[in-house]
Amino acid sequence: DADVTQTPRNRITKTGKRIMLECSQTKGHDRMYWYRQDPGLGLRLIYYSFDVKDINKGEISDGYSVSRQAQAKFSLSLESAIPNQTALYFCATSDFGGWEGTDTQYFGPGTRLTVL
Amino acid sequence: GQQVMQIPQYQHVQEGEDFTTYCNSSTTLSNIQWYKQRPGGHPVFLIQLAKSGEVKKQKRLTFQFGEAKKNSSLHITATQTTDVGTYFCAGLTRANNLFFGTGTRLTVIP
Repeated sequence: DADVTQTPRNRITKTGKRIMLECSQTKGHDRMYWYRQDPGLGLRLIYYSFDVKDINKGEISDGYSVSRQAQAKFSLSLESAIPNQTALYFCATSDFGGWEGTDTQYFGPGTRLTVL
Repeated sequence: GQQVMQIPQYQHVQEGEDFTTYCNSSTTLSNIQWYKQRPGGHPVFLIQLAKSGEVKKQKRLTFQFGEAKKNSSLHITATQTTDVGTYFCAGLTRANNLFFGTGTRLTVIP
C-alpha cells in the first residue's frame, strides 16, 4: 500500500550494530504496528501503538524497541543486532472503525534485514 | 504459543483445480481477516468476517466463518496462475489482539 512507506527497504548489518527501521503513513490512522516475518512462522507482532502516547509489547518484543514520533511515524530499533533477527519486517496501520472492518491491517512494502 | 493455526503450510495444485486453506483458533474470535501476499510483496487485505456462520464470496474465492467463531476457511474454485501467493488468516480476539496464522503458500502449476 503506497500510503505506508518503510525505509530502508534492504539493510545488511553486523552483529552488535544499532539499527533503526522507519515507517511513515499518510492514511491518517491512529494505530500502527511492527511485525516480523520468518519462513514457516507467519507474521509475528513485535510492538504496536494505538496512538502517539500508547506503546504496547507484542508477542516477540525482546531485543527491540520502538518510538512513536507522531501519528504518522513509528520506528523500530534493534539496539544490538544479532543474526537471529535476520527477517523481513513489516510496518502496518489500522483504523479501528474502518469501513473495511475492525482493525484491518494496511502493510508497508517491508524491510529485508540481514544481520551477519 | 501460536493462537491461530493454519493448514496446510504448502499446497501445489494444477491450474483449474480447487484449493482450500483452513484456519483454527484456540479462542473465540471477534472477527477473522484474510490476507494475500504475492511472492516478493506484502500482505494485502482480502476480506473480514465477523458473524457466526458467515459466508462471503469474491468471484472465485469463498470465505467461511465457523458457527463457534473459532475456525475459518478460504476456498478458491478453479485456480489460476494469478492466485499464486501465500494466504494468511488473522483472528481478532475479544481482547482486541490480532494473531496471524502461519500462512498457506499456494503454487499453481500451469
